[in-house]
Amino acid sequence: TQLLEQSPQFLSIQEGENLTVYCNSSSVFSSLQWYRQEPGEGPVLLVTVVTGGEVKKLKRLTFQFGDARKDSSLHITAAQPGDTGLYLCAGRFSGYALNFGKGTSLLVTP
Amino acid sequence: DTAVSQTPKYLVTQMGNDKSIKCEQNLGHDTMYWYKQDSKKFLKIMFSYNNKELIINETVPNRFSPKSPDKAHLNLHINSLELGDSAVYFCASTPHRTSMNTEAFFGQGTRLTVV
Repeated sequence: TQLLEQSPQFLSIQEGENLTVYCNSSSVFSSLQWYRQEPGEGPVLLVTVVTGGEVKKLKRLTFQFGDARKDSSLHITAAQPGDTGLYLCAGRFSGYALNFGKGTSLLVTP
Repeated sequence: DTAVSQTPKYLVTQMGNDKSIKCEQNLGHDTMYWYKQDSKKFLKIMFSYNNKELIINETVPNRFSPKSPDKAHLNLHINSLELGDSAVYFCASTPHRTSMNTEAFFGQGTRLTVV
């Protein structure tokens, strides 16, 4: 099983601050997805990136896929309490099952 | 109408017992999965079925046995439960096994506590 390293593991910030979460692997991804999980719920897809260098925006969230397709980042601008949750990167290498990173727990306080 | 539903949501049981978790998806997907999320929130693939056929079986104790009576259902039976089996178990589905970029839909999870 290929490993995806996520950092930071925990992040506690105040409303209005910006933050970046990183996802790295020594292997090349076929595709990479970011999921968000709220307490008591299953992960829900935020975005899928496929092409090296790709940038996708979802309101205040910006997702970037590395040129070599080995890393990705999630940047949140002006974080809000509603952004609180567990952010998971997940990659498919050669198969079809998602391999997940260990997640970043984000807490945004008013 | 819930896309992927798991029952029960909570399960507390004693060591040594046998228990089952059920999963159903109404999305018409061909491929279903079981994931285990540990206390540190790490999600790890356990099994995958495609159209009732087992296609992924990660290193999981053989006390865990998945069963897929049809492509809309994937159940997980666990024998001789151990303390270390305590975790949240998630069922998920995707349209078909070659769908590299499509979304995985997850159930709400089953929190299993072994005492």
